[in-house]
Amino acid sequence: DAKTTQPTSMDCAEGRAANLPCNHSTISGNEYVYWYRQIHSQGPQYIIHGLKNNETNEMASLIITEDRKSSTLILPHATLRDTAVYYCIVRVAMGGKLIFGQGTELSVKP
Amino acid sequence: EAGVVQSPRYKIIEKKQPVAFWCNPISGHNTLYWYRQNLGQGPELLIRYENEEAVDDSQLPKDRFSAERLKGVDSTLKIQPAELGDSAVYLCASSPNQDSQETQYFGPGTRLLVL
Repeated sequence: DAKTTQPTSMDCAEGRAANLPCNHSTISGNEYVYWYRQIHSQGPQYIIHGLKNNETNEMASLIITEDRKSSTLILPHATLRDTAVYYCIVRVAMGGKLIFGQGTELSVKP
Repeated sequence: EAGVVQSPRYKIIEKKQPVAFWCNPISGHNTLYWYRQNLGQGPELLIRYENEEAVDDSQLPKDRFSAERLKGVDSTLKIQPAELGDSAVYLCASSPNQDSQETQYFGPGTRLLVL
């Protein structure tokens, strides 16, 4: 499975948009981009996923570049409860494993 | 709808002792996963079940780790004997099946400390 590169940590002011980048330059055509987050002392929580089109749900938006080599997760109005480690994962289409990296530790500050 | 249930939440044991973790997946989910998460790292897959069959156990240290899912519902992960390096959080997850876009739902994990 393709590897991803994320910044180790980021800060965001409460109420502002949080934009979390991810590089996946070796992604294959049949691999999806997934985002999970893990709040302290909890299990990972699914946020969103996409193949090549931009996606939006009640939690976040996912912007995937046209060449699919990078993506950005957008939390439009970050709250203190969004403080967590955010994992960007690429996964093959059929039965692919979720291979977690170290993720980005997002701190939302008042 | 109840989420993935794990017990115990915390366990402290001495090295060389056995330990077991239990997981009850979301009702109707055929696929069950066990992950291990070391401090400061992302979770790593140990084993994946499709119903009662272990279809991927390549990352399970088979000399001391074992797992079962006898009736294709709940599952147990065992370590015997435990070593200091086994201290970690053990996470269970489930999904309806192994299809490409199915989301994995994680339990809260069992935090193991081996002294």
